[in-house]
Amino acid sequence: GAVVSQHPSWVICKSGTSVKIECRSLDFQATTMFWYRQFPKQSLMLMATSNEGSKATYEQGVEKDKFLINHASLTLSTLTVTSAHPEDSSFYICSAPPPDSHGYTFGSGTRLTVV
Amino acid sequence: EDQVTQSPEALRLQEGESSSLNCSYTVSGLRGLFWYRQDPGKGPEFLFTLYSAGEEKEKERLKATLTKKESFLHITAPKPEDSATYLCAVPRSYNTDKLIFGTGTRLQVFP
Repeated sequence: GAVVSQHPSWVICKSGTSVKIECRSLDFQATTMFWYRQFPKQSLMLMATSNEGSKATYEQGVEKDKFLINHASLTLSTLTVTSAHPEDSSFYICSAPPPDSHGYTFGSGTRLTVV
Repeated sequence: EDQVTQSPEALRLQEGESSSLNCSYTVSGLRGLFWYRQDPGKGPEFLFTLYSAGEEKEKERLKATLTKKESFLHITAPKPEDSATYLCAVPRSYNTDKLIFGTGTRLQVFP
């Protein structure tokens, strides 16, 4: 089945530093990937759509200069949280539509804690 | 406004006690409804896709059904390992892969 790999699974960083999260489709090509954020006991909220070969599109209220997205290849998208602050602490999850379009595949998530 | 609402928020069951989870939606032009299971600290795991009213899908102790306004996830004789949060999601509109998620149902099954 379609597999999406996400790294790291958890990261702790100091306030003001940047953190990069990687999302890879292992056995299929993904021209589009999605980045979600999930706060404790809340559901997934779409942050942005990552497009291979073009700029990412961001949901309303999401700062594109803080959450930099790069879709470097057909199998890799990265999310960089720049100048992280404690309020950016959250669970970040990526997703890609698999080739057969029967259910979107999600990565295992990255727990970001900013101290 | 497009919405996906799940109920109950939390459900505690004794092992073997069957029950149902509800997902209601208001998105027009439904292009599939998805059920996921999410364990703590993990990404959602795909369970089912339902495309049209009347459709049913089964997997082990789980059965998902769909009507024009809602979907049910029936859990028959649950086991403790079925404990998780169950999420439903629908595409925001007919021509997009962007998903709207419900807030989920946290299921706990006790032995």
